[in-house]
Amino acid sequence: GESVGLHLPTLSVQEGDNSIINCAYSNSASDYFIWYKQESGKGPQFIIDIRSNMDKRQGQRVTVLLNKTVKHLSLQIAATQPGDSAVYFCAENQNGQNFVFGPGTRLSVLP
Amino acid sequence: GAGVSQTPSNKVTEKGKYVELRCDPISGHTALYWYRQSLGQGPEFLIYFQGTGAADDSGLPNDRFFAVRPEGSVSTLKIQRTERGDSAVYLCASSLDTGDGYTFGSGTRLTVV
Repeated sequence: GESVGLHLPTLSVQEGDNSIINCAYSNSASDYFIWYKQESGKGPQFIIDIRSNMDKRQGQRVTVLLNKTVKHLSLQIAATQPGDSAVYFCAENQNGQNFVFGPGTRLSVLP
Repeated sequence: GAGVSQTPSNKVTEKGKYVELRCDPISGHTALYWYRQSLGQGPEFLIYFQGTGAADDSGLPNDRFFAVRPEGSVSTLKIQRTERGDSAVYLCASSLDTGDGYTFGSGTRLTVV
């Protein structure tokens, strides 16, 4: 399938290490945020979300942190696995309707 | 079906031709969204439907682009007089209601030659 994001920032991590992917969002009024994972040839897949009344939310092996003061979002992946290799996008909901996506980060997991 | 289905998965067309891209959302999802993704970029919003009506079409780049959702389920994105710059992956997503997280389809890769 088509490779998404040939010129994206890339984060390379060793298998088993923790990964941290960062995102700066644009609108201080945004109140809902989602991290998506996109593998080559596929549509984005929901990973985890967080509302603006929270600063941390945990899922299975993933944690999202929200810092509204500096408009920063991060995704932490514990014990990174080869299957985590993909492009990761943060998305913010600015108007209660559609989401605006960031430019994406490619995560490459090294054996 | 269980997920969002988009057809065709690939479409090659000649410059100047008309194309239609189809999206079948998850049954019961009232909100449907179209995005366009160029290589190396995040998805860019085109249009969104709440039910049958286009609630926000501010992302459509020009009047060559049009989308319909006549019965509040299947949607068709229509592009007239295609240009090479229209080449991209067109993604459709649906959600239970406006503002909820999306489920995306796999997209239609449009190539204009």
